[in-house]
Amino acid sequence: GAVVSQHPSWVICKSGTSVKIECRSLDFQATTMFWYRQFPKQSLMLMATSNEGSKATYEQGVEKDKFLINHASLTLSTLTVTSAHPEDSSFYICSARAPRAGNSPLHFGNGTRLTVT
Amino acid sequence: GIQVEQSPPDLILQEGANSTLRCNFSDSVNNLQWFHQNPWGQLINLFYIPSGTKQNGRLSATTVATERYSLLYISSSQTTDSGVYFCAVRRGTYKYIFGTGTRLKVLA
Repeated sequence: GAVVSQHPSWVICKSGTSVKIECRSLDFQATTMFWYRQFPKQSLMLMATSNEGSKATYEQGVEKDKFLINHASLTLSTLTVTSAHPEDSSFYICSARAPRAGNSPLHFGNGTRLTVT
Repeated sequence: GIQVEQSPPDLILQEGANSTLRCNFSDSVNNLQWFHQNPWGQLINLFYIPSGTKQNGRLSATTVATERYSLLYISSSQTTDSGVYFCAVRRGTYKYIFGTGTRLKVLA
């Protein structure tokens, strides 16, 4: 159980275009999802917390207009990288908690490798 | 915010050897998880261990919350254990903060 699906696995786009990444919880409802970014040989950095039905909460230093997050349903959150530039090339990973009484672990999608040329 | 440091940053082992990875955190936490990131970037959930000890096959983990650290033990290492190991902690909110990681390479 607790499967998180992320699509696409990889994408190559030209500078100036926008890219949308989808994150779905397949067998549970997730009121909260998280988006992380990982540069080569570095740790995962939390970008934002996606809240179903409300605005996302962005971490300090993350541009809200650059990384648009939409959590329109209990099973889907999307991250759109707008007007992508080569410096946005990175590995983006989403995660979600399967809610139940008390604490529950975090489950991750397989990530999206974005290359901007 | 909370700081999460892992050691060692890099580790090379011969197949069959044992190892201990450490995760130190600067403040009290509600939860802690250990992950293995394989060469393709996939994060595999190893342990959900806010406190106490758990074992799963060749892997085991111990978290001493009062002393703000967690240990991941790998016994009889295999080449497939190679990758990066992360601990991630949660304090207060639902946000998980990742540690700096330990890059493990197991040689055949």
